Amino acid sequence: DAKTTQPPSMDCAEGRAANLPCNHSTISGNEYVYWYRQIHSQGPQYIIHGLKNNETNEMASLIITEDRKSSTLILPHATLRDTAVYYCIVRSGSRLTFGEGTQLTVNP
Amino acid sequence: EAQVTQNPRYLITVTGKKLTVTCSQNMNHEYMSWYRQDPGLGLRQIYYSMNVEVTDKGDVPEGYKVSRKEKRNFPLILESPSPNQTSLYFCASSQDRRNYGYTFGSGTRLTVV
Repeated sequence: DAKTTQPPSMDCAEGRAANLPCNHSTISGNEYVYWYRQIHSQGPQYIIHGLKNNETNEMASLIITEDRKSSTLILPHATLRDTAVYYCIVRSGSRLTFGEGTQLTVNP
Repeated sequence: EAQVTQNPRYLITVTGKKLTVTCSQNMNHEYMSWYRQDPGLGLRQIYYSMNVEVTDKGDVPEGYKVSRKEKRNFPLILESPSPNQTSLYFCASSQDRRNYGYTFGSGTRLTVV
């Protein structure tokens, strides 16, 4: 699976959009981009995934660049409950390899 | 409710005493996996299974065994636990290889003394 690079931490004001970047420059054509988050020591929670088109669901939006070498997860109106570690993962098979992720802190 | 259930949630045991952490999913998922999470090392995959009777090593399989005799269950077995296996363990399942998210269990915090 391709390696991903994320900033170690980010801050966001409550009610504002949180934009979390991820670089995956070695991604191959059949690899999907997945985003998960982990709140404290709970089990990671699936957020969204995509191949090459932008995706949106009730939790977030995923913007993938045309060359697929990077993506951005957007939480449109961050709340205090969105404080978590966010993982960007590139997946081609059944294995899911987690990196260090981004600690997002939403401030009141 | 669709979920992955792990038991126990907490376990303290002594070195060398065999133990099993159970994992069960009710979503008819083909793929199941075990992870351990340690401070500073993140989530690392121990074993995974693509279907019944098909298992494979992940990144840190030493000291662990798994079995997949039926689709819904994927127990993690520590034949002779050691203190370096003290960790937070997660089981996860998924419906498809690439186009479906993994659902994770709530975790098992294991302490080996």
